[in-house]
Amino acid sequence: DTGVSQDPRHKITKRGQNVTFRCDPISEHNRLYWYRQTLGQGPEFLTYFQNEAQLEKSRLLSDRFSAERPKGSFSTLEIQRTEQGDSAMYLCASSLGRDDEQYFGPGTRLTVT
Amino acid sequence: AQSVTQPDIHITVSEGASLELRCNYSYGATPYLFWYVQSPGQGLQLLLKYFSGDTLVQGIKGFEAEFKRSQSSFNLRKPSVHWSDAAEYFCARTRRGNEKLTFGTGTRLTIIP
Repeated sequence: DTGVSQDPRHKITKRGQNVTFRCDPISEHNRLYWYRQTLGQGPEFLTYFQNEAQLEKSRLLSDRFSAERPKGSFSTLEIQRTEQGDSAMYLCASSLGRDDEQYFGPGTRLTVT
Repeated sequence: AQSVTQPDIHITVSEGASLELRCNYSYGATPYLFWYVQSPGQGLQLLLKYFSGDTLVQGIKGFEAEFKRSQSSFNLRKPSVHWSDAAEYFCARTRRGNEKLTFGTGTRLTIIP
């Protein structure tokens, strides 16, 4: 399968711990997006990359959040000092270029206890 | 700011009946509009999209949507639903040159025999 993959699929952590998620986009896609989805809501944009450059960050992305795409392929999203409010589904998507369809991965569900 | 409204949180439809899910978008130049479906444990899947041209758009799984600029609407329709259509449906928009998706809150579709 050559779709977008995310790892892990589920993560349970204690408040105050750091967590890191990984996203592997479709291989030829140069744009990569992160979204967050809380229960009963639609996904909300967090940030996106074109190749290795981070082009935009949402105000939702506090200082505790950092995203990287070091070689323009996979991306990581790190949350430091997790809080209960960080509990959500974190979705990754990729696209071939501007205005192209975004293909979503299955998401990483984070639970902060 | 761009916004998307899905006024129906939950809809129940009998199998074989017709379906219409409502979506309204805020005023904005040349909206790009999308419908996504999300099944439990699955990633978001694109059903159809509207960029320009013919206002009636055909998608996958027998879905269609009609763009009505005068009503700022992009409603999703299906003439006859199947039990496998039970899922969460999200309307979303971007605009040209700014591809971060803005999603509505979703409509949960339940199918009854």
